[in-house]
Amino acid sequence: DTGVSQDPRHKITKRGQNVTFRCDPISEHNRLYWYRQTLGQGPEFLTYFQNEAQLEKSRLLSDRFSAERPKGSFSTLEIQRTEQGDSAMYLCASSRTPYEKLFFGSGTQLSVL
Amino acid sequence: AQKVTQAQTEISVVEKEDVTLDCVYETRDTTYYLFWYKQPPSGELVFLIRRNSFDEQNEISGRYSWNFQKSTSSFNFTITASQVVDSAVYFCALSEAGSGTASKLTFGTGTRLQVTL
Repeated sequence: DTGVSQDPRHKITKRGQNVTFRCDPISEHNRLYWYRQTLGQGPEFLTYFQNEAQLEKSRLLSDRFSAERPKGSFSTLEIQRTEQGDSAMYLCASSRTPYEKLFFGSGTQLSVL
Repeated sequence: AQKVTQAQTEISVVEKEDVTLDCVYETRDTTYYLFWYKQPPSGELVFLIRRNSFDEQNEISGRYSWNFQKSTSSFNFTITASQVVDSAVYFCALSEAGSGTASKLTFGTGTRLQVTL
């Protein structure tokens, strides 16, 4: 059990650029979640997957955001045409079943200049 | 809609003091889950406890204890004999069974705990 891994840890980009983050969940975990956390706030739910199926997307996830989980393993979160308001910590979490606790990764800190 | 309120933004205590972190929640579901997570400076959220709405028993785990009161919609967290290593941001969170998953969490804004020598 190596925990939830996220890459990169930090990303600095210019406004208008596209960025992609990767999350590797704990190997036997079927559920994978993305959250976003801004400074001084708690994490906010973005989306989650059951294996490769994306089951729910928050209204916070605009059309510029897309998430995938091919083959039900790792997941990617892409943000197109980044805006300064996208600057935040993007957290990935996984759980073995829908009703078990979440294990979080250390997050990807995005700064949009 | 569900909501979690952590009115204490920051708390500062001296080591060995007891400290209680408050959490008040709102939900229309009769079945829900309450959580506490710790976020140290490294950034990774660490699970501390989960409680379901049918289990109002208080729980003690070492120096940590939790008081769940449905009558006041509160789920407070007490650290006894605090230590410097307890310094972190603590989040209370709620999930509703009607959402289809107990892991879609609504978090409070967190309470930053600073424990000094």
